[in-house]
This record gives sequence, structure tokens and C-alpha cells, in this order.
Amino acid sequence: GAVVSQHPSRVICKSGTSVKIECRSLDFQATTMFWYRQFPKQSLMLMATSNEGSKATYEQGVEKDKFLINHASLTLSTLTVTSAHPEDSSFYICSAPRGVWSGANVLTFGAGSRLTVL
Amino acid sequence: EDKVVQSPLSLVVHEGDTVTLNCSYEVTNFRSLLWYKQEKKAPTFLFMLTSSGIEKKSGRLSSILDKKELFSILNITATQTGDSAVYLCAVERLETSGSRLTFGEGTQLTVNP
Repeated sequence: GAVVSQHPSRVICKSGTSVKIECRSLDFQATTMFWYRQFPKQSLMLMATSNEGSKATYEQGVEKDKFLINHASLTLSTLTVTSAHPEDSSFYICSAPRGVWSGANVLTFGAGSRLTVL
Repeated sequence: EDKVVQSPLSLVVHEGDTVTLNCSYEVTNFRSLLWYKQEKKAPTFLFMLTSSGIEKKSGRLSSILDKKELFSILNITATQTGDSAVYLCAVERLETSGSRLTFGEGTQLTVNP
């Protein structure tokens, strides 16, 4: 149980285009999902927290207009990288808390999306 | 600001060796410390630790937390090539709106045959 599906796994796009990444919780509901970004040989950096039915909460330094997040239902969150530039090339990973265990939440991660902007 | 520091950043061992990975942290409103294993793609969950001194064990992997000294270790005994991965440590902070994780840089473990 507790599977998070992320699509696409890999995308190459031209500079200036927009790219949408989907994150779905397959067998559980997720009122909250987290979007991370990971550069090579670096750790996961939280970009934003996606909240079902309300606006996403962005981390300091993350442009809201650049990285649009929509949490349309209890099983789907999307991240759209608008007007992508080469510096946006990165590995994007979504995750969702899979439930309460000992009072805390354990994250289940999607497989990640490798974005390359030419 | 929360801080998670892992050491070493990189480690190369031979099959059969035992390794110890370290994670120290500074966080307000500590809730838990988690270990993840990241191979080529997404991290997979290993352990969650909330109490000091209680060892969590899963096969050849074990972990323990020291909330007084603010660190945790992850041990892997009789390492295998399949253990090669990045091991991430994360601390969970309790917030009014829920909780959030801060990840360390990870330890890149390479196990050679």
C-alpha cells in the first residue's frame, strides 16, 4: 500500500515552454503533498507544500509564479514549471504523508521527474 | 533554521564490511528523525525514530537516536553491493499547521564486491 505515482519520469523541453508534472496517491488520500527539488549530489530541498482545496505554501526563495502548484483533489497534485529555463533543469520529487504512525507522518515518495530544459 | 548534517558524505567499502553513518541535527520542536535510502530515483523509507536509546532494526540495518546529544546513527552490517545508495537523514519539526522535514545532504555509500 501507500503508492505515489509521478509522471512523467523524464521530460526534455525547449526554453520558454511550460512543463506539467503530476503526482497521484494511488491507494490513499492525501490532503497534503510536498514538492522537492534535488540537484546532482545534493539533498532534497522542499519547494512547496500542496494543500487540497487551498493555496500551496511556498518555501522562501521559490517563485510562486514560476512553479504553479494545483492540488485539485485528494489524490492529485500538479507542479507546472512555467516558461522553463535551463537553470530549472533538475530532479523534481513529490511526496505524500502516508498516514499517522506514532504521532508522526512518514512520507511516501514518487519516482521523481527529471526535467531537462534545452 | 533547522540543520541536518550527515557524515561522512561519501564512503567506499568492500562487501561484508560494517558501516556506520552519522546524522546530527538542530531543530526546534523536534518530532522524529527518519532515515531514507535513495538509489536511482525516489527515496524509500527505512526507519523513523522518536525516542532516545531504542534501537530500530530491520535485517542488517539498525538505527538509534540520542535526543540529548542530537544525533542518530545508521548501521549496516555485512554490507552487500545492493546496499550501494545515498542514505538520507531527515528531521521532522512539529508546526502549528502540521510538520515538515529537513533533509541532510546524504551519505553516498558504495559497496564494492
